[in-house]
Amino acid sequence: QITLKEPGPTLVKPTQTLTLTCTFSGFSLTTSGVAVGWIRQPPGKALEWLALIYWNTTKRYSPSLKTRLTITKDPSENQVVLTMTNMDPVDTATYYCAHQAPYSGSSYSSWGQGTLVTVSS
Amino acid sequence: SYELTQSPSVSVSPGQTARITCSGDKLGDRYVCWYQQKPGQSPVLVIYRDSERPSGIPERFSGSNSGNTATLTISGTQPMDEADYYCQTWDSSTYVIFGGGTKLTVL
Repeated sequence: QITLKEPGPTLVKPTQTLTLTCTFSGFSLTTSGVAVGWIRQPPGKALEWLALIYWNTTKRYSPSLKTRLTITKDPSENQVVLTMTNMDPVDTATYYCAHQAPYSGSSYSSWGQGTLVTVSS
Repeated sequence: SYELTQSPSVSVSPGQTARITCSGDKLGDRYVCWYQQKPGQSPVLVIYRDSERPSGIPERFSGSNSGNTATLTISGTQPMDEADYYCQTWDSSTYVIFGGGTKLTVL
């Protein structure tokens, strides 16, 4: 059974850097074709993709947020970390990490419960 | 940049067929997947690679993709199917793209 978990609710101040750790089980990020992605959803709004990292350490970022995002992995700890710099109140959202299986057409078959990040002074 | 367009809302009576569409330029040349999201819950994958159903997803969910439009079809819609539905695809420059979502109301 695949599970992913993000940290609990987070409050950050404007201009600060957000660091989120996704801890997963049930798969390995060293298996060919596997990836983990981050997606966010502002309250009442649509899903927005942020970044993903593949088993071979290839990384992809949303073009609109690329300058602010960094994604890394620690396969030995079964963790993927996302950092987002210069946080703003418009970045308030629920942040999800999700698993992408090989040959899945780039779909996310398992999602974490999500963590609410609030940006406020 | 590549974009996916969904109608904001669709309404259907219980037992009828619901069709939710997602449009994009030459979308039929790409794989599309669909997610169901109920209030306060994480998204759930209901269709991947245009028409494949993950294990545990009821057979009433089906998908198709051709030309500029992908369609999620729910046959015999049940009240429990009331949710937001998002389409998603992949683009070589924009990478992962989500549609704006469609709210399905079963009434």
